[in-house]
Amino acid sequence: DTEVTQTPKHLVMGMTNKKSLKCEQHMGHRAMYWYKQKAKKPPELMFVYSYEKLSINESVPSRFSPECPNSSLLNLHLHALQPEDSALYLCASSQDGASNTEAFFGQGTRLTVV
Amino acid sequence: AQTVTQSQPEMSVQEAETVTLSCTYDTSESDYYLFWYKQPPSRQMILVIRQEAYKQQNATENRFSVNFQKAAKSFSLKISDSQLGDAAMYFCAYNQYNNNDMRFGAGTRLTVKP
Repeated sequence: DTEVTQTPKHLVMGMTNKKSLKCEQHMGHRAMYWYKQKAKKPPELMFVYSYEKLSINESVPSRFSPECPNSSLLNLHLHALQPEDSALYLCASSQDGASNTEAFFGQGTRLTVV
Repeated sequence: AQTVTQSQPEMSVQEAETVTLSCTYDTSESDYYLFWYKQPPSRQMILVIRQEAYKQQNATENRFSVNFQKAAKSFSLKISDSQLGDAAMYFCAYNQYNNNDMRFGAGTRLTVKP
């Protein structure tokens, strides 16, 4: 299994809503990532979890809250978002440490904030 | 901080011809990985090819090959015998060895003409 599965594929939410994006992988990877991608732009790193601990937080607003319940799952909790937060949210995973190589990406969640 | 630069926002190639996409990067590290990812309209990021900085030999994957010039900090992608399915956004990416912090260039949109 070389897949990273993200749900939902599409999400429309109001600015007062609370929602969560989910990501799952079963490749035994110990590093998991959240990226944000605006249209016609490269992915921007948001968070990195390494061995289920938050290792990188790229000064992301607190309305985005990541969670890593176990080594296979990664969530991104959303609350009080703004329309400018509308984007494609990509999850990725990779091996960690000295054997770190490429990242495997999910298909993303297309988020629209209204 | 490491930066990745792709100076060609758009490129076009005739089917069956060869095209080269450019990428330069800036780093003070000696151990790192470089990647080319492809993102078709389906939006999933797909690894095309990977190069370890300590390897002098250029990586090759079927019709895809790289020209890695470590001293010049250059990492170009050559696509031979271009196919319609190669049309996509191509991102060059850098990841420091033993670090989970992959950074992407701005991307090059490749069009393949029949």
